[in-house]
Amino acid sequence: GAVVSQHPSWVICKSGTSVKIECRSLDFQATTMFWYRQFPKQSLMLMATSNEGSKATYEQGVEKDKFLINHASLTLSTLTVTSAHPEDSSFYICSARIERTNNQPQHFGDGTRLSIL
Amino acid sequence: GESVGLHLPTLSVQEGDNSIINCAYSNSASDYFIWYKQESGKGPQFIIDIRSNMDKRQGQRVTVLLNKTVKHLSLQIAATQPGDSAVYFCAETKGTGRRALTFGSGTRLQVQP
Repeated sequence: GAVVSQHPSWVICKSGTSVKIECRSLDFQATTMFWYRQFPKQSLMLMATSNEGSKATYEQGVEKDKFLINHASLTLSTLTVTSAHPEDSSFYICSARIERTNNQPQHFGDGTRLSIL
Repeated sequence: GESVGLHLPTLSVQEGDNSIINCAYSNSASDYFIWYKQESGKGPQFIIDIRSNMDKRQGQRVTVLLNKTVKHLSLQIAATQPGDSAVYFCAETKGTGRRALTFGSGTRLQVQP
């Protein structure tokens, strides 16, 4: 079964709206979660690393004031796309890793498709 | 004209045949590699992983081969089934998996019944 849950799965909203996406680790704690972005027929590109209790680390070219990340608990990270515009339309995916042991792969949520009109 | 990156390479196979999906990774310092399967509208699903101290690892119907000399990774799927149709990504990272992943460009596998 799924180990990472994302919500919502699909959002359609007007330009200028802020949208919050939740990523939850199910039945395990994740001090680190990752946020990726995927355009149609392309690969996943890392946007930022979400760290519980501290600031997120953003990849080069990703605006931290545009994509706000909050990792307030060990099972929840949120990504808020502020004042979204059509160019922000994309598939946003989070991942987390079960940290009890080494050599564990990251598990991904089912993504959030964001469409800005 | 067409833009690079808008069309995934596609591998088309007959049901029951074996499939081989290839990936060239970029960072010679990477030591942990993972194959993911992504179905339409879903997130990537873990298939199999391999560390750099191995050159082959087998799972159920899948085998991953690693050639560090040429920085090449392959995924072999035995007796391919229609349910295997998806986009397959290789991913690389360094360490025990705690760091973010770098994904390859992906290959679409189409299984013909």
